[in-house]
Amino acid sequence: QKEVEQDPGPLSVPEGAIVSLNCTYSNSAFQYFMWYRQYSRKGPELLMYTYSSGNKEDGRFTAQVDKSSKYISLFIRDSQPSDSATYLCAMIKNTDKLIFGTGTRLQVFP
Amino acid sequence: DVKVTQSSRYLVKRTGEKVFLECVQDMDHENMFWYRQDPGLGLRLIYFSYDVKMKEKGDIPEGYSVSREKKERFSLILESASTNQTSMYLCASGHRGLLNTEAFFGQGTRLTVV
Repeated sequence: QKEVEQDPGPLSVPEGAIVSLNCTYSNSAFQYFMWYRQYSRKGPELLMYTYSSGNKEDGRFTAQVDKSSKYISLFIRDSQPSDSATYLCAMIKNTDKLIFGTGTRLQVFP
Repeated sequence: DVKVTQSSRYLVKRTGEKVFLECVQDMDHENMFWYRQDPGLGLRLIYFSYDVKMKEKGDIPEGYSVSREKKERFSLILESASTNQTSMYLCASGHRGLLNTEAFFGQGTRLTVV
């Protein structure tokens, strides 16, 4: 079983929709949770990171962590065509090893 | 601006060749990472280094080795390239204590082994 599971998609939504992206994990040692965004032919870039269970908001993006269920989510409000990218969840244990999910490809059409 | 530079964007090599992928960062980061990215499999950690001359195996180190002789440079070596090593290779760097910072990625090297 993979340590981090993520639905690869693709996910196709109309502009303005609310998008929900999710990851589950199996190892309760994971402490920090991140979302990276990767545009086509580019390296991933950090979007948000969270530590504790609960929500963290940054503009149109909300990251949610539920440690009891080992489940994290990223919500995108009022999605835009420029949000079209692959979104990767990532997690860190007590070392600096950064473990990624498979990524979900999102397409927002006008 | 943080910069992580990978030596090549595209590379084509023959089976059995020894291949060197180079990565340089300019932010004095202690940690450096090599991942490969394949459709449906995401980013898988090959090796990472938390200091000069230090290295730790990731999830898929077989067929690869690494070298970190200087803090800013982390090299990935394919000892004898095989077709199943055709992939996108991504280098990343970050400060020690990634719990409070982030990893920065290079643009990637798309390697094709024929």
